[in-house]
Amino acid sequence: DVVMTQSPLSLPVTLGQPASISCRSSQSLVHSDGNTYLIWFQQRPGQSPRRLIYQVSNRDSGVPDRFSGSGSGTDFTLKISGVEAEDVGVYYCMQGTHWPPTFGQGTKVEIK
Amino acid sequence: QVQLVQSGAEVKKPGSSMKVSCKASGGSFKTYAIAWVRQAPGQGLEWMGGIIPVLGVVKYAQKFQDRVAVTADESTSTAFMELSSLRSEDSAVYYCAREDAYDIWGQGTAVPVSS
Repeated sequence: DVVMTQSPLSLPVTLGQPASISCRSSQSLVHSDGNTYLIWFQQRPGQSPRRLIYQVSNRDSGVPDRFSGSGSGTDFTLKISGVEAEDVGVYYCMQGTHWPPTFGQGTKVEIK
Repeated sequence: QVQLVQSGAEVKKPGSSMKVSCKASGGSFKTYAIAWVRQAPGQGLEWMGGIIPVLGVVKYAQKFQDRVAVTADESTSTAFMELSSLRSEDSAVYYCAREDAYDIWGQGTAVPVSS
């Protein structure tokens, strides 16, 4: 199985400051169809995961533009340009290129 | 907008089985694949298996292969996940989600396993 490694696992951030989460995969996530199936989720306390970003950098409808995804191959990043109070939660990356789908361990974002 | 609505929480005893349902509404179930993902308390997300109802194709993570069964009833647009031989480590919230896209999730079903 593809191992997804996130860092940091805990990210205290001051309101309004930027935040960055890294996700590395043990194999390239480029699919034979040319696409890269890397998703970012946000999970607020007590809620189901919510998809924020798909195929590395495509933001879902309704997701604030302060969230952005980038990367390629085995190295990916989720950035929040200025953290707001509602961004508190755990963020997961997930790969869907190789079966079975696998998730990163999660990064807990909290306000300092 | 499509929604996935799961069955309610249930308490289970070790050695017993659980069966969680996931009903799709507001869209064509036949075009979906449904995945099951679980989350132990304070832990991360773990993919368990998935089904493409219109094709009857199921896939399971190797870890669960010998005790999980995912099925679907197209007439009611409902998918089911049954896990047998439960142990305390199976205590978790179980989610269904639209597979491949993972853009739609159920609300989760909490299943504590305790004697």
